[in-house]
Amino acid sequence: KNQVEQSPQSLIILEGKNCTLQCNYTVSPFSNLRWYKQDTGRGPVSLTIMTFSENTKSNGRYTATLDADTKQSSLHITASQLSDSASYICVVTSGYSTLTFGKGTMLLVSP
Amino acid sequence: EAGVAQSPRYKIIEKRQSVAFWCNPISGHATLYWYQQILGQGPKLLIQFQNNGVVDDSQLPKDRFSAERLKGVDSTLKIQPAKLEDSAVYLCASSLVPGQGLYGYTFGSGTRLTVV
Repeated sequence: KNQVEQSPQSLIILEGKNCTLQCNYTVSPFSNLRWYKQDTGRGPVSLTIMTFSENTKSNGRYTATLDADTKQSSLHITASQLSDSASYICVVTSGYSTLTFGKGTMLLVSP
Repeated sequence: EAGVAQSPRYKIIEKRQSVAFWCNPISGHATLYWYQQILGQGPKLLIQFQNNGVVDDSQLPKDRFSAERLKGVDSTLKIQPAKLEDSAVYLCASSLVPGQGLYGYTFGSGTRLTVV
């Protein structure tokens, strides 16, 4: 059964600090992995997408890594801002179009 | 580029009532998805359309949920009758092709349904 596990479930950090969110998956066959940011009351917005051959992908202050051997991904947020407060969802695509969603990590950036 | 439009944004109904949600995908996107997101969980796929045909509706509770995509553009999702456990955010997403490779999904802002 395809599964995506995210940790921590929730996180509180001070503004300006860095943080790293984790995503472990057991999905086969693997196509790609995406990180989404979901603000409260809004739909998810794509941050990064990585295929099997990519190890790292950056989008501004967001940097995602992928280790296809251990089936782990991380999302690193640098110099956090209050607007980074949101839920971060890891989504893995298997085969042609099957998506498996993690439950997300709720990040709160405190002033 | 205009995003995926959904309406209404919020809806409160009593159990056993009916409700309908509307989605207008990005122009030219052939694939359309409806997801149900219960508070604290990741989205769960309800139904996937390719143009106006259903690709996957294996997780759609067909005794009470129905969806259609006439003419392969707009889509409506209906719940009749609603139950308390249907309280969730209903997300619509579209993609140019079915999520393969670099083509991403674009999500709408969702409709928050509360059943009381």
